[in-house]
Amino acid sequence: QLQLQESGPGLVKPSETLSLTCTVSGGSVSSRSYYWGWIRQPPGKGLEWIGRIYYSGSTYYNPSLKSRVTMSVDTSKNQFSLKLSSVTAADTAIYYCASRPADVTSTFDTWGQGTLVTVSS
Amino acid sequence: DIQMTQSPSTLSASVGDRVTITCRASQSLSTWLAWYQQKPGEAPKLLIHKASTLQSGVPSRFSGSGSGTEFTLTISSLQPDDFATYYCQQYNSLFSFGPGTKVDIK
Repeated sequence: QLQLQESGPGLVKPSETLSLTCTVSGGSVSSRSYYWGWIRQPPGKGLEWIGRIYYSGSTYYNPSLKSRVTMSVDTSKNQFSLKLSSVTAADTAIYYCASRPADVTSTFDTWGQGTLVTVSS
Repeated sequence: DIQMTQSPSTLSASVGDRVTITCRASQSLSTWLAWYQQKPGEAPKLLIHKASTLQSGVPSRFSGSGSGTEFTLTISSLQPDDFATYYCQQYNSLFSFGPGTKVDIK
């Protein structure tokens, strides 16, 4: 059974780059069977999709964040990553990694537990 | 961008009640619509995809319907474990979520 676990700093300074990693277990990040994604949720608010990546490195990003987002896959560590540059307090949120079956009739069905990232000096 | 709305934003109900939540999209989704349940401190859980397909392991009291721009999530008989926030999500064009509907105890 696929399991995902986010990791990374819980505190990032304004204007710096937020970097998070999602470790995949029970499956391979280089599998053609999944897409990998990031979703965030500001405390007490709703969900916002950030982007998704395929094993090949193909990416799609939320247009509202596209200029600041980079996602990548590390097959040697069975991980995928998120970088969000030039962060502000508005980027404070719980960040979730998630997987979506490549059979695109479905959507993100497996989620990590989430990690809170606070942007503050 | 596809905008999603949900109604109501909050719903107060009792155990055993039939509950219906509505989700509307700013353009047609066909049936590329999912429903999630989220409890405090937990990640969202996928309940329904493709508008009406129940995810494996999800109780049959949950059902989804609709196509195009209007969709509904129905809980036929509300159980204590169902008090949570529910989000719709479109995946017809990239992904976007509705603002959520909180179901609380009446």
